Amino acid sequence: KQEVTQIPAALSVPEGENLVLNCSFTDSAIYNLQWFRQDPGKGLTSLLLIQSSQREQTSGRLNASLDKSSGRSTLYIAASQPGDSATYLCAVRPSGSARQLTFGSGTQLTVLP
Amino acid sequence: IAGITQAPTSQILAAGRRMTLRCTQDMRHNAMYWYRQDLGLGLRLIHYSNTAGTTGKGEVPDGYSVSRANTDDFPLTLASAVPSQTSVYFCASSERLSLERTGELFFGEGSRLTVL
Repeated sequence: KQEVTQIPAALSVPEGENLVLNCSFTDSAIYNLQWFRQDPGKGLTSLLLIQSSQREQTSGRLNASLDKSSGRSTLYIAASQPGDSATYLCAVRPSGSARQLTFGSGTQLTVLP
Repeated sequence: IAGITQAPTSQILAAGRRMTLRCTQDMRHNAMYWYRQDLGLGLRLIHYSNTAGTTGKGEVPDGYSVSRANTDDFPLTLASAVPSQTSVYFCASSERLSLERTGELFFGEGSRLTVL
């Protein structure tokens, strides 16, 4: 059974700092991996999706990488801003017939002004 | 703006009552999903539907039922609500997976349900 872990559970950084959020998964047979952002009381917003054949995806100040062999993905946020404060979740979609995603528990990020 | 609409946004109901959470998407996505999100347990899949007319059980299906009569709507029904079903429920959708389509998942804003 696929397990997805995100460490740390919470992170607090000063504004302007570059930071890395981590996501690890136990089964490397994945179709893709998706990073989401969730603001308090809101739904999940898709940030980046990396296909299993890709190594990284970039959108603005965000860069997500994928290393299938080691079962790891990172989300890099450059020049963090208070508006980046949210919970960030990663989700893995397996390859094969069962394609439902498995989610990590998320990292709660606070960017201090 | 295209997306997923969930209703109600919030609801309090007595144990034993029947409740249907509504979900509608206008992106013509084939696949739809219901998740519940609980503190410390993360997001767990309740039921899913890969295409209209078909449904499947997720990780925590007991006490819930779904139907998929058409592409756009995917209601979730609690036949007889219990306090352990107090949670935030999210509906999501994605395109059918193919070489051209990534299956990116999109979420609604959630329905907060409290069962007393």
